[in-house]
Amino acid sequence: LAKTTQPISMDSYEGQEVNITCSHNNIATNDYITWYQQFPSQGPRFIIQGYKTKVTNEVASLFIPADRKSSTLSLPRVSLSDTAVYYCLVGAINQGGKLIFGQGTELSVKP
Amino acid sequence: GAVVSQHPSRVICKSGTSVKIECRSLDFQATTMFWYRQFPKKSLMLMATSNEGSKATYEQGVEKDKFLINHASLTLSTLTVTSAHPEDSSFYICSAAQGLAISNQPQHFGDGTRLSIL
Repeated sequence: LAKTTQPISMDSYEGQEVNITCSHNNIATNDYITWYQQFPSQGPRFIIQGYKTKVTNEVASLFIPADRKSSTLSLPRVSLSDTAVYYCLVGAINQGGKLIFGQGTELSVKP
Repeated sequence: GAVVSQHPSRVICKSGTSVKIECRSLDFQATTMFWYRQFPKKSLMLMATSNEGSKATYEQGVEKDKFLINHASLTLSTLTVTSAHPEDSSFYICSAAQGLAISNQPQHFGDGTRLSIL
């Protein structure tokens, strides 16, 4: 199973762009990279998923270099409500795999 | 989007009671469901993986007789904490995935169940 490493915590201010990088050096060929957001006492919420290059949706962008050994979640113009824990997961459920959560990154957005 | 409903959201009961938690996928068929446990300020810990119609696969250190998992249909999985004790108090979260698709399907999570054993 691919192990992920993220910064434990990050601070930002409202309106700034936040980039959270995740390392996954032993990612397998079939693995996808998925990011989740979790608020206290709630289940994780899906943010974005990608396999390679760049993926963008209405809330975030995901940058994946060619070697796929890391990925960066980019949150444009964060607000106070983006204060949460962000998890990077690597795996392939459709290949019979399972997703193991790492420690996550606690993002604190200040006014 | 894909919705996973988890019920109940909170349970408080006496030691020795068995507690059942339900996890339902509301708008998709979930061939695979996962059960996690989370302690305060900690990450999610995978307990078991359940596939519809077959026995669950438990992670190392998780007692299968303590945490009974049933995945009888493509939209419902249940976790029963048998003879619960205070050390079983935790936040339990389920997730579901369509799986078996050509493109990888992300997991979708329920909102968790806060279990407190007195």
